[in-house]
Amino acid sequence: TQLLEQSPQFLSIQEGENLTVYCNSSSVFSSLQWYRQEPGEGPVLLVTVVTGGEVKKLKRLTFQFGDARKDSSLHITAAQPGDTGLYLCAGDRGTYKYIFGTGTRLKVLA
Amino acid sequence: GAVVSQHPSWVICKSGTSVKIECRSLDFQATTMFWYRQFPKQSLMLMATSNEGSKATYEQGVEKDKFLINHASLTLSTLTVTSAHPEDSSFYICSAATDGYTFGSGTRLTVV
Repeated sequence: TQLLEQSPQFLSIQEGENLTVYCNSSSVFSSLQWYRQEPGEGPVLLVTVVTGGEVKKLKRLTFQFGDARKDSSLHITAAQPGDTGLYLCAGDRGTYKYIFGTGTRLKVLA
Repeated sequence: GAVVSQHPSWVICKSGTSVKIECRSLDFQATTMFWYRQFPKQSLMLMATSNEGSKATYEQGVEKDKFLINHASLTLSTLTVTSAHPEDSSFYICSAATDGYTFGSGTRLTVV
């Protein structure tokens, strides 16, 4: 059973456009993380959110944790080709046992 | 920062043979490591939790006898795919709990 659904699954946009990726669940998580993965490599942690309603910014990336800690979003402003990759959310089920979302594959065209 | 080293990066083996994948924490001790499997263009699926000095905990549907996990020290966990078959071909990734997860670089296994 996949606990974390991401949308969209695929996204192809032009450089300079904005986009939002959503991560939704019916379960409550104590914390949630976002990762970016490039082909043939392991995922790299972008951010961890732990408080309901929390908003974190990482340069052009804005992350939000839902008030009920069941969902999260990632917003990218003025996307660049370097943002291309697979974006994964991951929810903490306890004791660092994270469950990963279905993934969003982003391609930014120059 | 924390580094997890995973070897080999890729391996091709014949059907019926066994393959061992190593995952090492280089500058920290990891009492718990996690093994994931990832099919092309899909997300990571947790296979098992590797605990130093004790038996691994496997997720539902993962065959314990096929995917042998050993975590004999605080810096090394190994995953052995026994009697590999083409359907076991996948990208296997380990991780250790640090501030979030630190992932290894993954191992692409191809069984021919």
